[in-house]
Amino acid sequence: AQTVTQSQPEMSVQEAETVTLSCTYDTSESDYYLFWYKQPPSRQMILVIRQEAYKQQNATENRFSVNFQKAAKSFSLKISDSQLGDAAMYFCAYRRGNAGNMLTFGGGTRLMVKP
Amino acid sequence: DTAVSQTPKYLVTQMGNDKSIKCEQNLGHDTMYWYKQDSKKFLKIMFSYNNKELIINETVPNRFSPKSPDKAHLNLHINSLELGDSAVYFCASSQEGAGGLYNEQFFGPGTRLTVL
Repeated sequence: AQTVTQSQPEMSVQEAETVTLSCTYDTSESDYYLFWYKQPPSRQMILVIRQEAYKQQNATENRFSVNFQKAAKSFSLKISDSQLGDAAMYFCAYRRGNAGNMLTFGGGTRLMVKP
Repeated sequence: DTAVSQTPKYLVTQMGNDKSIKCEQNLGHDTMYWYKQDSKKFLKIMFSYNNKELIINETVPNRFSPKSPDKAHLNLHINSLELGDSAVYFCASSQEGAGGLYNEQFFGPGTRLTVL
């Protein structure tokens, strides 16, 4: 079974600075996707960024980027120029490449942004 | 305009009651899911339906019964509610067949269930 581990229950960053959230996963599959979801206090799950395992290039979405290390099974999220609105729970998630597969989530990291 | 909607958003009920949570998606997706988020924020899959057929059923008590009347709806019925059922329940949908982009899952706003 696949597992996803987020080793940082809480992280704190100063506004405008950069923070990196860690995620490791365990799988024997070769075809899979990785995601970072943001859950603000409103509890809505918002997709931040995705990465296909077959792509070597790290995904980037504006201030959000990932460091995907396939051999190490590591998928960290970097948030640049942190803003107060970035404060939320962040979840790393894995899914197999086959149709109809569910997301396996990590335990989450609570990110606090200090003004 | 909402992509994935759930009703109700909050549900407070007594132990032993039966309750339902409704989910609808207007994205034309062929697969829908139910996830449970416990008090420690841990999210776990409960069920997955593809074209109205059950394809994933994780270890969930049989008091929980999903029902999919059509591709756009996946309702969750819970019998004999217990204290431990208190959680936030999320519905999600994705397009797994042809045309799906990265098989991204879109989540509803969640339903906070409190069992007293």
